[in-house]
Amino acid sequence: GESVGLHLPTLSVQEGDNSIINCAYSNSASDYFIWYKQESGKGPQFIIDIRSNMDKRQGQRVTVLLNKTVKHLSLQIAATQPGDSAVYFCAENAGNNRKLIWGLGTSLAVNP
Amino acid sequence: GAVVSQHPSWVICKSGTSVKIECRSLDFQATTMFWYRQFPKQSLMLMATSNEGSKATYEQGVEKDKFLINHASLTLSTLTVTSAHPEDSSFYICSARDRGLAGTDTQYFGPGTRLTVL
Repeated sequence: GESVGLHLPTLSVQEGDNSIINCAYSNSASDYFIWYKQESGKGPQFIIDIRSNMDKRQGQRVTVLLNKTVKHLSLQIAATQPGDSAVYFCAENAGNNRKLIWGLGTSLAVNP
Repeated sequence: GAVVSQHPSWVICKSGTSVKIECRSLDFQATTMFWYRQFPKQSLMLMATSNEGSKATYEQGVEKDKFLINHASLTLSTLTVTSAHPEDSSFYICSARDRGLAGTDTQYFGPGTRLTVL
């Protein structure tokens, strides 16, 4: 079936560097994408979202880029901090029932 | 805003007993809530979609008689794991979609409930 997947299962960066987390999706009908952050033992926390009529959206220290041509989504975190260490999931909304299809997750480790 | 709570945050029970988990939207009304389970180092797996005032829609492979879902109000959904067994031990997470934000698909998640069945 169609799914959302991630290229990198783990990512290690130095504090202060920029982080880029990538995600590939296969459902061309998806029109809404979300990034979530999940810390150990907690529920996912909404970070940022983007609709398919946009290719870029910025938040506080985060930017999401959407490339519909190659079905690719990325999350950029500027000046990565230790508190950014978590697992990041991309998810897409598809279908009339608007269920989320989840990627596998990328573990981000920030080295001091 | 958009706060979702779950209770309890963790529970330990004996095999064969039933456990009820509550999911509440604290500052918004949710016509739709979702229940997920998550195993260590894995992604979230959708179990069922819960619509206020109607029967839940279960994902393929999820036993509706084992995982009873009730969505009696716009702010509360419950998941009851009946006759729990050790293989039901997992992290259960609910999410809710804000009824007031027309056209949005954003789901807000609760903090999760850790279930351990002995």
